[in-house]
Amino acid sequence: GAVVSQHPSRVICKSGTSVKIECRSLDFQATTMFWYRQFPKKSLMLMATSNEGSKATYEQGVEKDKFLINHASLTLSTLTVTSAHPEDSSFYICSARAGTGLETQYFGPGTRLLVL
Amino acid sequence: GEDVEQSLFLSVREGDSSVINCTYTDSSSTYLYWYKQEPGAGLQLLTYIFSNMDMKQDQRLTVLLNKKDKHLSLRIADTQTGDSAIYFCAEKGGGSNYKLTFGKGTLLTVNP
Repeated sequence: GAVVSQHPSRVICKSGTSVKIECRSLDFQATTMFWYRQFPKKSLMLMATSNEGSKATYEQGVEKDKFLINHASLTLSTLTVTSAHPEDSSFYICSARAGTGLETQYFGPGTRLLVL
Repeated sequence: GEDVEQSLFLSVREGDSSVINCTYTDSSSTYLYWYKQEPGAGLQLLTYIFSNMDMKQDQRLTVLLNKKDKHLSLRIADTQTGDSAIYFCAEKGGGSNYKLTFGKGTLLTVNP
């Protein structure tokens, strides 16, 4: 099946620093990638939809200047958490859609971010 | 907006069948999905069903869809301890934005 990777899997950073998370589709071209945030014992919250070559579409309440998304190619999207604060600590998961007509999103393994 | 509801917990004995239920509100849903999440991991697509189907079977998994009642279920036959995980129901509405709406997830615990 389709494989999506994320890097890093875990990151610990100091408050005020920026953290970049990569999401790659390994064996297919992803026309659309999605970034989610998951809080403990909670469902996934869609943060933004990223289309290759165009600006990301952010969900209501998600600060686009705080969470920068770049969909540089059909296999790579990055999420940069700028000036991270402890409240940004969370599990961030990306997913990718192949755009082949089958409406399926394939998820990455997630990135655990801890901001001290 | 769209809403997806699931019971939060289910506990079964190894070898029994598990049935996880989900209800949704979006009458224009086109696809419905079941994802599995093991601790500390991402989501694994288990199966999906198109909204004009009422049943889909894939090995130990059976998905039933009652579109009139907006009710989706996932049955796992011969449940094993390795099936212990959180199961998310998700729906994709009509339109072209490909967004999925997820339920809060059902924690399935399989007891030996």
